[in-house]
Amino acid sequence: GAVVSQHPSWVICKSGTSVKIECRSLDFQATTMFWYRQFPKQSLMLMATSNEGSKATYEQGVEKDKFLINHASLTLSTLTVTSAHPEDSSFYICSASGEAGGLGEQYFGPGTRLTVT
Amino acid sequence: ELKVEQNPLFLSMQEGKNYTIYCNYSTTSDRLYWYRQDPGKSLESLFVLLSNGAVKQEGRLMASLDTKARLSTLHITAAVHDLSATYFCAVDNRSNYQLIWGAGTKLIIKP
Repeated sequence: GAVVSQHPSWVICKSGTSVKIECRSLDFQATTMFWYRQFPKQSLMLMATSNEGSKATYEQGVEKDKFLINHASLTLSTLTVTSAHPEDSSFYICSASGEAGGLGEQYFGPGTRLTVT
Repeated sequence: ELKVEQNPLFLSMQEGKNYTIYCNYSTTSDRLYWYRQDPGKSLESLFVLLSNGAVKQEGRLMASLDTKARLSTLHITAAVHDLSATYFCAVDNRSNYQLIWGAGTKLIIKP
């Protein structure tokens, strides 16, 4: 089946620093990748959708200058949390779809737990 | 605007009992998904339902879809402790293929 990995699985950083999270599709080409964040006991919140080679589309209320998304290849997307603050602490999950426009099933990565101190 | 409602949001039950989680959605969609999430973990895909009347079963879990009623159910038969988790349903938004998520149902099964 389709496998998506994320790295790191957890990270602790100091307030004001930047953190990069990688999302890789291991056995398929991910035309579209999605980035979600999840707060404790809540559902997933879509942050942005990225298509390979083009700029990400951010959801309303998500700061694109704070959450930098790069989808430079068909197997890798990165999310960089810039100037992280404690309120950015969350569980970040990526998913990938092998079909154009995100059509089709999304395959989820294992998630990255970010704690900002 | 496509909305997805799950109920109940919390369910505590004894082993051996049967129960159903409901997922209602507000507009037409092509696909409905059920996922399981364990604490601190990501999502595990359970079922993908593509058409009206679709029924899928895996072990003690069975999912069904009624597109006319815009309703999907996840039925648990003879629950066991290992099924304790949070279950989410999600629906494809036809206009942009994003997933619209239910709030999740936290299921606790007591031995």
